[in-house]
Amino acid sequence: GDSVTQMEGPVTLSEEAFLTINCTYTATGYPSLFWYVQYPGEGLQLLLKATKADDKGSNKGFEATYRKETTSFHLEKGSVQVSDSAVYFCALSDQGYGNNRLAFGKGNQVVVIP
Amino acid sequence: DGGITQSPKYLFRKEGQNVTLSCEQNLNHDAMYWYRQDPGQGLRLIYYSQIVNDFQKGDIAEGYSVSREKKESFPLTVTSAQKNPTAFYLCASSIRGQGTYNEQFFGPGTRLTVL
Repeated sequence: GDSVTQMEGPVTLSEEAFLTINCTYTATGYPSLFWYVQYPGEGLQLLLKATKADDKGSNKGFEATYRKETTSFHLEKGSVQVSDSAVYFCALSDQGYGNNRLAFGKGNQVVVIP
Repeated sequence: DGGITQSPKYLFRKEGQNVTLSCEQNLNHDAMYWYRQDPGQGLRLIYYSQIVNDFQKGDIAEGYSVSREKKESFPLTVTSAQKNPTAFYLCASSIRGQGTYNEQFFGPGTRLTVL
């Protein structure tokens, strides 16, 4: 079945540092790819998305490019702020099922230190 | 304001008791979903419904039940058959998916603790 793999472990970095969170996927069809963010004690919010190969999603300084050849959708931000501290989830939706289901990675806790 | 509400925010239950989590949306969405979140496990789909009076099991439906009698409401019951119910439960809704992905909007969640 479809699955998403995120890099292991939390990410701790200093303010203004460069952030990368790796995400790779396995899917039988042509999935859409997403990054969701969860701030402490809250539900998930869609951060960005890409619906086809070579698309770049971007929002709030975050970017991710849909790479079909490497089945990847890595999240990057050039200069993080303390307010970016949250849990980040990579997800995919394979419309071959026609039911709008999402498959999520395990998430990465990001902690930005002032 | 349109959105999804979940209640209560925190819920405590004794072992052997059933408990129902509420999820209401005023976004006029046809599809609704329930996810379970455990530390280090990401989100796992429990049940989903694409239309009133219809719902399907997700990946971890055992020990849970749902109903969808109204478009705006999708309550989840955690039964005594669920072996490890302590978790964070998230409800979501979307326009019904038909060939293209439609964004899922999430509620704030309910944290269930079994004592």
